[in-house]
Amino acid sequence: DAGVIQSPRHEVTEMGQEVTLRCKPISGHDYLFWYRQTMMRGLELLIYFNNNVPIDDSGMPEDRFSAKMPNASFSTLKIQPSEPRDSAVYFCAVSGGGLGGYTFGSGTRLTVV
Amino acid sequence: AQSVTQLGSHVSVSEGALVLLRCNYSSSVPPYLFWYVQYPNQGLQLLLKYTSAATLVKGINGFEAEFKKSETSFHLTKPSAHMSDAAEYFCALIQGAQKLVFGQGTRLTINP
Repeated sequence: DAGVIQSPRHEVTEMGQEVTLRCKPISGHDYLFWYRQTMMRGLELLIYFNNNVPIDDSGMPEDRFSAKMPNASFSTLKIQPSEPRDSAVYFCAVSGGGLGGYTFGSGTRLTVV
Repeated sequence: AQSVTQLGSHVSVSEGALVLLRCNYSSSVPPYLFWYVQYPNQGLQLLLKYTSAATLVKGINGFEAEFKKSETSFHLTKPSAHMSDAAEYFCALIQGAQKLVFGQGTRLTINP
């Protein structure tokens, strides 16, 4: 069990460019979450999936953000076009349901210049 | 809506001293509460959780937390701080089926 794998670990891009963040979750976990962490706003839930289906995307800040989970082994978070205010650490986390808590990936640090 | 509030964005203690990180919750239903720790440049790790069994919950690395319904609190403690405890700590509760709502975090600094 290699844990939740996120890639890339760091991403620097220019304003206006498309950015794709990737998450490879642990198998056997039915829920997948995308969080954003900034100094100003702390941890914000962007979207979460249950059995690959988006359940709640009310935290997605704008239409520039989109997320997909084509299968149980992979999820992406895309920002198009990116803006400097999108600079943050983005975390993917999974849960097996119940009250076991989440398992987090190490995050992707995104810098938009 | 359910929420958690962490009192103090930054706590500083001496090595060997008591660690106390405060968390209060607001919930109209019995809450399920969690403490997570985040070391620099890493994701969050589960320290401990309260799921309506024993009110005193023991976690990893010598931490424990006590659920007090009368005070709507779930404070995190450790009797003797170690340098390796320096990190950011988050209190959280479950909202709905699986959604974790986090507090703003408390950065713990340990002085030698």
